Amino acid sequence: SAVISQKPSRDICQRGTSLTIQCQVDSQVTMMFWYRQQPGQSLTLIATANQGSEATYESGFVIDKFPISRPNLTFSTLTVSNMSPEDSSIYLCSVRPGGNTGELFFGEGSRLTVL
Amino acid sequence: EDKVVQSPLSLVVHEGDTVTLNCSYEVTNFRSLLWYKQEKKAPTFLFMLTSSGIEKKSGRLSSILDKKELFSILNITATQTGDSAVYLCAVGSNSGYALNFGKGTSLLVTP
Repeated sequence: SAVISQKPSRDICQRGTSLTIQCQVDSQVTMMFWYRQQPGQSLTLIATANQGSEATYESGFVIDKFPISRPNLTFSTLTVSNMSPEDSSIYLCSVRPGGNTGELFFGEGSRLTVL
Repeated sequence: EDKVVQSPLSLVVHEGDTVTLNCSYEVTNFRSLLWYKQEKKAPTFLFMLTSSGIEKKSGRLSSILDKKELFSILNITATQTGDSAVYLCAVGSNSGYALNFGKGTSLLVTP
């Protein structure tokens, strides 16, 4: 299992600003995943954060908009840059310690509202 | 492109009813199908299915996978108001560890 601490849990941001979300896991994991859930929608994978190398972004997401850091095997950050109201979402950090044989564990999520 | 389709998108039932939620998928190199319950922010894990025809059960919830027809169902018997939530279906492949989620079924159980 894994316990994930994510912060901030919520924030209200001004258009054009950037916000960094932090994710701390209680055990070492190879990969961490960042998902976005826009209002009324399902979870969409933004990127996979790999320790020691650049994150792998999904189609439609770019590093300039969502830079990710992964300095060690228990911590990652996601920055949402130059925010617009369309970025208002819940951002979820997740890990899958058991690899393909296990479940995906989620942090509590960060609810961002961009005015 | 991988696809996960859930139906219905929303459902309203009375307490005590039985509900069946559906999830169909098209995934290259299928590995597993997972069900999650989402009430506020973070989804919580319900079941992981990898083999066809083997029912997984937890209390009033059960789920089964059909790998030939590429779908799964989640059953909830004797529903309670606490079952009100969004139920998410997700599929994993052998190509990576991330999961591909469906849009979810929003279930409302009324007293």
